[in-house]
Amino acid sequence: SQKIEQNSEALNIQEGKTATLTCNYTNYSPAYLQWYRQDPGRGPVFLLLIRENEKEKRKERLKVTFDTTLKQSLFHITASQPADSATYLCALDLQLSGNTGKLIFGQGTTLQVKP
Amino acid sequence: DVKVTQSSRYLVKRTGEKVFLECVQDMDHENMFWYRQDPGLGLRLIYFSYDVKMKEKGDIPEGYSVSREKKERFSLILESASTNQTSMYLCASSTPGREREQYFGPGTRLTVT
Repeated sequence: SQKIEQNSEALNIQEGKTATLTCNYTNYSPAYLQWYRQDPGRGPVFLLLIRENEKEKRKERLKVTFDTTLKQSLFHITASQPADSATYLCALDLQLSGNTGKLIFGQGTTLQVKP
Repeated sequence: DVKVTQSSRYLVKRTGEKVFLECVQDMDHENMFWYRQDPGLGLRLIYFSYDVKMKEKGDIPEGYSVSREKKERFSLILESASTNQTSMYLCASSTPGREREQYFGPGTRLTVT
Protein backbone atom coordinates (compact mmCIF):
# COMPACT_ATOMS: atom_id res chain seq x y z
CA SER A 1 0.00 0.00 0.00
CA GLN A 2 1.05 3.62 -0.41
CA LYS A 3 2.44 5.30 2.66
CA ILE A 4 4.27 8.43 3.68
CA GLU A 5 5.82 8.50 7.14
CA GLN A 6 7.51 11.12 9.25
CA ASN A 7 9.02 10.75 12.72
CA SER A 8 5.90 10.27 14.80
CA GLU A 9 7.62 11.31 18.01
CA ALA A 10 8.25 14.94 18.78
CA LEU A 11 11.85 16.02 18.34
CA ASN A 12 13.41 17.97 21.21
CA ILE A 13 16.80 19.57 20.68
CA GLN A 14 18.98 22.22 22.26
CA GLU A 15 19.33 25.65 20.72
CA GLY A 16 22.28 25.83 18.34
CA LYS A 17 22.17 22.14 17.38
CA THR A 18 21.13 20.75 14.02
CA ALA A 19 17.64 19.28 13.77
CA THR A 20 17.18 16.43 11.30
CA LEU A 21 13.68 15.35 10.28
CA THR A 22 12.95 12.28 8.20
CA CYS A 23 10.32 11.58 5.56
CA ASN A 24 10.00 8.06 4.14
CA TYR A 25 7.55 6.88 1.53
CA THR A 26 6.57 3.66 -0.22
CA ASN A 27 4.84 2.91 -3.52
CA TYR A 28 4.92 6.50 -4.76
CA SER A 29 7.06 8.05 -7.46
CA PRO A 30 6.94 11.77 -6.75
CA ALA A 31 8.33 14.19 -9.29
CA TYR A 32 8.96 16.68 -6.50
CA LEU A 33 8.96 16.77 -2.74
CA GLN A 34 8.01 19.77 -0.64
CA TRP A 35 8.47 20.77 2.99
CA TYR A 36 6.13 23.04 4.93
CA ARG A 37 6.10 24.56 8.39
CA GLN A 38 2.90 24.78 10.42
CA ASP A 39 2.39 26.72 13.62
CA PRO A 40 -0.52 25.86 15.95
CA GLY A 41 -3.88 27.07 14.62
CA ARG A 42 -2.44 28.31 11.33
CA GLY A 43 -2.12 27.09 7.76
CA PRO A 44 1.09 25.47 6.52
CA VAL A 45 3.76 27.72 5.05
CA PHE A 46 5.95 26.56 2.18
CA LEU A 47 9.67 26.20 2.91
CA LEU A 48 11.47 24.26 0.20
CA LEU A 49 10.85 22.21 -2.93
CA ILE A 50 13.27 19.63 -4.33
CA ARG A 51 12.99 17.91 -7.68
CA GLU A 52 13.56 14.21 -8.31
CA ASN A 53 16.78 14.92 -10.22
CA GLU A 54 18.21 17.08 -7.40
CA LYS A 55 20.09 15.49 -4.54
CA GLU A 56 20.18 18.49 -2.24
CA LYS A 57 18.66 21.96 -1.87
CA ARG A 58 19.61 24.73 0.55
CA LYS A 59 17.95 27.90 1.74
CA GLU A 60 19.63 29.87 4.52
CA ARG A 61 19.78 27.50 7.54
CA LEU A 62 17.61 24.87 5.84
CA LYS A 63 18.81 21.90 3.80
CA VAL A 64 16.77 19.19 2.13
CA THR A 65 17.98 15.97 0.55
CA PHE A 66 15.97 13.67 -1.69
CA ASP A 67 16.99 10.07 -2.35
CA THR A 68 14.59 8.44 -4.83
CA THR A 69 16.33 5.08 -4.47
CA LEU A 70 15.89 4.97 -0.69
CA LYS A 71 12.53 6.78 -1.05
CA GLN A 72 13.55 9.19 1.63
CA SER A 73 13.95 12.91 2.23
CA LEU A 74 15.89 14.47 5.09
CA PHE A 75 15.21 18.01 6.30
CA HIS A 76 17.92 19.77 8.31
CA ILE A 77 17.79 22.99 10.29
CA THR A 78 21.25 24.11 11.31
CA ALA A 79 21.96 26.42 14.26
CA SER A 80 18.41 25.87 15.47
CA GLN A 81 16.59 28.56 17.43
CA PRO A 82 13.53 28.47 19.72
CA ALA A 83 11.64 30.31 16.93
CA ASP A 84 12.10 27.19 14.77
CA SER A 85 9.75 25.28 17.09
CA ALA A 86 6.80 24.16 14.96
CA THR A 87 5.40 21.17 13.12
CA TYR A 88 7.14 20.35 9.85
CA LEU A 89 5.24 18.62 7.09
CA CYS A 90 6.67 16.62 4.25
CA ALA A 91 4.57 16.45 1.06
CA LEU A 92 4.99 14.24 -1.99
CA ASP A 93 4.22 16.21 -5.13
CA LEU A 94 2.59 13.87 -7.64
CA GLN A 95 2.54 15.21 -11.15
CA LEU A 96 -0.89 15.33 -12.75
CA SER A 97 -1.80 16.31 -16.28
CA GLY A 98 -1.24 19.89 -17.37
CA ASN A 99 1.78 20.31 -15.07
CA THR A 100 -0.43 20.50 -12.00
CA GLY A 101 0.68 18.79 -8.81
CA LYS A 102 -1.27 16.98 -6.13
CA LEU A 103 0.29 16.90 -2.68
CA ILE A 104 0.19 13.93 -0.34
CA PHE A 105 1.16 15.06 3.15
CA GLY A 106 2.86 13.21 5.94
CA GLN A 107 1.47 13.64 9.42
CA GLY A 108 4.25 15.99 10.41
CA THR A 109 6.99 16.08 13.02
CA THR A 110 6.80 18.52 15.91
CA LEU A 111 10.12 20.15 16.67
CA GLN A 112 10.80 21.79 20.00
CA VAL A 113 14.01 23.82 20.31
CA LYS A 114 14.95 24.55 23.91
CA PRO A 115 16.98 27.63 24.85
CA ASP B 1 2.67 38.56 -1.12
CA VAL B 2 0.16 35.87 -1.96
CA LYS B 3 -2.91 36.06 0.15
CA VAL B 4 -5.43 33.30 0.64
CA THR B 5 -8.37 34.20 2.80
CA GLN B 6 -11.10 32.01 4.22
CA SER B 7 -14.53 33.32 5.16
CA SER B 8 -14.50 32.25 8.80
CA ARG B 9 -11.90 31.20 11.38
CA TYR B 10 -14.44 29.39 13.54
CA LEU B 11 -17.85 28.00 12.62
CA VAL B 12 -20.40 26.02 14.61
CA LYS B 13 -23.20 24.28 12.74
CA ARG B 14 -25.89 21.75 13.55
CA THR B 15 -26.18 18.27 12.09
CA GLY B 16 -28.05 18.34 8.79
CA GLU B 17 -27.34 22.00 8.00
CA LYS B 18 -25.91 23.04 4.65
CA VAL B 19 -22.51 24.65 5.15
CA PHE B 20 -20.56 26.88 2.79
CA LEU B 21 -16.85 27.51 3.26
CA GLU B 22 -15.44 30.23 1.04
CA CYS B 23 -11.87 30.73 -0.10
CA VAL B 24 -10.46 33.65 -2.06
CA GLN B 25 -6.93 34.10 -3.43
CA ASP B 26 -5.49 37.28 -4.88
CA MET B 27 -2.59 35.96 -6.98
CA ASP B 28 -4.41 34.84 -10.11
CA HIS B 29 -3.53 31.20 -9.38
CA GLU B 30 -5.03 28.56 -11.63
CA ASN B 31 -5.10 25.78 -9.02
CA MET B 32 -7.10 25.75 -5.83
CA PHE B 33 -7.44 23.03 -3.21
CA TRP B 34 -9.53 22.10 -0.19
CA TYR B 35 -8.06 19.97 2.59
CA ARG B 36 -9.18 18.85 6.00
CA GLN B 37 -6.75 18.30 8.84
CA ASP B 38 -7.40 15.96 11.74
CA PRO B 39 -5.12 14.83 14.58
CA GLY B 40 -3.35 11.61 13.70
CA LEU B 41 -4.55 11.74 10.09
CA GLY B 42 -2.73 14.79 8.80
CA LEU B 43 -3.83 16.89 5.84
CA ARG B 44 -6.11 15.11 3.39
CA LEU B 45 -7.22 16.42 0.02
CA ILE B 46 -10.98 16.75 -0.46
CA TYR B 47 -11.29 18.42 -3.88
CA PHE B 48 -9.20 20.53 -6.17
CA SER B 49 -9.71 22.68 -9.22
CA TYR B 50 -7.23 23.60 -11.95
CA ASP B 51 -9.45 26.02 -13.81
CA VAL B 52 -12.72 27.88 -13.55
CA LYS B 53 -15.69 25.51 -13.51
CA MET B 54 -13.31 22.51 -13.36
CA LYS B 55 -13.15 20.24 -10.34
CA GLU B 56 -11.47 16.98 -9.46
CA LYS B 57 -12.07 14.65 -6.53
CA GLY B 58 -9.29 14.30 -4.05
CA ASP B 59 -8.81 11.45 -1.63
CA ILE B 60 -11.87 12.00 0.58
CA PRO B 61 -14.64 13.71 -1.45
CA GLU B 62 -17.59 11.88 0.10
CA GLY B 63 -20.06 14.24 1.75
CA TYR B 64 -18.59 17.33 0.06
CA SER B 65 -19.03 19.27 -3.15
CA VAL B 66 -17.26 22.32 -4.55
CA SER B 67 -17.91 25.28 -6.80
CA ARG B 68 -15.51 27.44 -8.80
CA GLU B 69 -17.38 30.10 -10.75
CA LYS B 70 -14.56 32.64 -10.68
CA LYS B 71 -10.82 32.10 -10.83
CA GLU B 72 -10.15 33.67 -7.46
CA ARG B 73 -12.88 31.91 -5.50
CA PHE B 74 -13.30 28.25 -4.53
CA SER B 75 -16.16 27.15 -2.31
CA LEU B 76 -16.52 23.96 -0.32
CA ILE B 77 -20.07 22.81 0.38
CA LEU B 78 -21.23 20.36 2.99
CA GLU B 79 -24.69 19.43 1.74
CA SER B 80 -25.83 17.97 5.06
CA ALA B 81 -23.28 18.43 7.81
CA SER B 82 -22.51 15.50 10.07
CA THR B 83 -20.52 15.29 13.30
CA ASN B 84 -17.70 13.40 11.56
CA GLN B 85 -17.11 16.49 9.45
CA THR B 86 -15.94 18.39 12.50
CA SER B 87 -12.42 19.36 11.49
CA MET B 88 -9.98 22.09 10.46
CA TYR B 89 -10.55 22.99 6.81
CA LEU B 90 -7.71 24.52 4.84
CA CYS B 91 -7.80 26.10 1.42
CA ALA B 92 -4.72 26.49 -0.77
CA SER B 93 -3.80 27.83 -4.17
CA SER B 94 -0.89 27.35 -6.54
CA THR B 95 0.24 27.98 -10.05
CA PRO B 96 1.20 25.11 -12.36
CA GLY B 97 4.80 24.72 -13.47
CA ARG B 98 8.15 24.90 -11.76
CA GLU B 99 7.09 27.29 -8.97
CA ARG B 100 4.38 24.96 -7.74
CA GLU B 101 4.32 25.47 -4.01
CA GLN B 102 0.93 25.82 -2.39
CA TYR B 103 -0.16 28.88 -0.43
CA PHE B 104 -2.55 28.14 2.40
CA GLY B 105 -5.24 30.15 4.06
CA PRO B 106 -5.52 30.43 7.86
CA GLY B 107 -8.06 27.62 8.10
CA THR B 108 -11.64 27.31 9.31
CA ARG B 109 -12.28 25.26 12.40
CA LEU B 110 -15.73 23.76 11.86
CA THR B 111 -17.65 22.13 14.68
CA VAL B 112 -20.81 20.20 13.85
CA THR B 113 -23.02 19.51 16.86
